[in-house]
Amino acid sequence: AQSVTQLGSHVSVSEGALVLLRCNYSSSVPPYLFWYVQYPNQGLQLLLKYTSAATLVKGINGFEAEFKKSETSFHLTKPSAHMSDAAEYFCAVSGPGAGGFKTIFGAGTRLFVKA
Amino acid sequence: EAGVTQFPSHSVIEKGQTVTLRCDPISGHDNLYWYRRVMGKEIKFLLHFVKESKQDESGMPNNRFLAERTGGTYSTLKVQPAELEDSGVYFCASSQGQGAVGYGYTFGSGTRLTVV
Repeated sequence: AQSVTQLGSHVSVSEGALVLLRCNYSSSVPPYLFWYVQYPNQGLQLLLKYTSAATLVKGINGFEAEFKKSETSFHLTKPSAHMSDAAEYFCAVSGPGAGGFKTIFGAGTRLFVKA
Repeated sequence: EAGVTQFPSHSVIEKGQTVTLRCDPISGHDNLYWYRRVMGKEIKFLLHFVKESKQDESGMPNNRFLAERTGGTYSTLKVQPAELEDSGVYFCASSQGQGAVGYGYTFGSGTRLTVV
């Protein structure tokens, strides 16, 4: 069975500062890992995904995430925050379950960006 | 290419009433998923269709929820009768590959259901 834990329901950074959103996962098999972003009044949008290729994954809008098997982590980072990054971010893990593959989402981390 | 479309975007109904949510997936996507997010908690899986068949409905809360996917195209999720705890945002997603293997999901904007 898979599970995802996102550390911190809210993260606040200043514009231009480093963004670090934490995600730890649990999976009985090598996982597929994802980060999604939800802007106000929109659906979830795929930011990036890890599918067992390179451990450092680059996504859209300057975000990247590193898969660390030893730490069971998949933290999301961006070197310099922009006001437009303010949104809610969801980490997700996908793996086999009853009835086929299932994707499990974390509780989300809301990112605030201060001017 | 049109994305995943959900409607209505908002629905406010009284306890005991019936509500039907609709999802139109991306054309050609055999896999369709329903998820629900209640009051800032995690996004929880409800069920998964492959074409018109229910592949996995282990997340459906109870028998007040009924999902259908006519001809493997659009899907509806009916709640009858609605209860207060059914309030939340219902998301629909579709994908080419099962379980988002290599593809990820494309999500709709969600339907915000409020039961009063």
